[in-house]
Amino acid sequence: QSVLTQPPSASGTPGQRVTISCSGSSSNIGSNYVYWYQQLPGTAPKLLIYRNNQRPSGVPDRFSGSKSGTSASLAISGLRSEDEADYYCAAWDDSLSGPWVFGGGTKLTVL
Amino acid sequence: QVQLVQSGAEVKKPGASVKVSCKASGYTFTGYYMHWVRQAPGQGLEWMGWINPNSGGTNYAQKFQGRVTMTRDTSISTAYMELSRLRSDDTAVYYCARDQGGVPAPNNWFDPWGQGTLVTVSS
Repeated sequence: QSVLTQPPSASGTPGQRVTISCSGSSSNIGSNYVYWYQQLPGTAPKLLIYRNNQRPSGVPDRFSGSKSGTSASLAISGLRSEDEADYYCAAWDDSLSGPWVFGGGTKLTVL
Repeated sequence: QVQLVQSGAEVKKPGASVKVSCKASGYTFTGYYMHWVRQAPGQGLEWMGWINPNSGGTNYAQKFQGRVTMTRDTSISTAYMELSRLRSDDTAVYYCARDQGGVPAPNNWFDPWGQGTLVTVSS
């Protein structure tokens, strides 16, 4: 069981906007930054969003992150076939669960 | 460019140990902590611990304490993760990942990641 909770799956059609949620607690998301990693099939995870809503260079502005209280969301607009991947949220946890905790991952399917 | 290259796949019997290596290049090895993260088949990511390549100091996730040992060889810019008393549920892809900020902190992240090493535990 992962400390952060994500829906196991999400889907959308090309051009659509999809959101992926990540729920935590006061010891992780509630008091620390949230990070999002994208894992394309057969590859290692890659940073997608850092410090809640910042995009590394090279990440399209179709990807955006937000955080409110003990939850966070990743939004992908203008969905493209190459966005089909697993997405993981992560946060520092101040309790004995940590310090680093992840969500169980969300498999995004582009229909 | 910054790169982490891990050792190849391993097959081990229950009760054995496995040692995975992670060779760093493109940056000062001793300047950035190294994390280890694993991913069981069809499962999410699980943080295992970190090592300070400069001092050799470590911090392990509670779940792995007593079974995991992280070490490094600064002469060849390589970090190692050894897991002992292997069980079938240790079957997973093991990743090394550099701490982007140097020293672990809530405002840092993992970048880059190694390509992963599949460890299969089977009798």
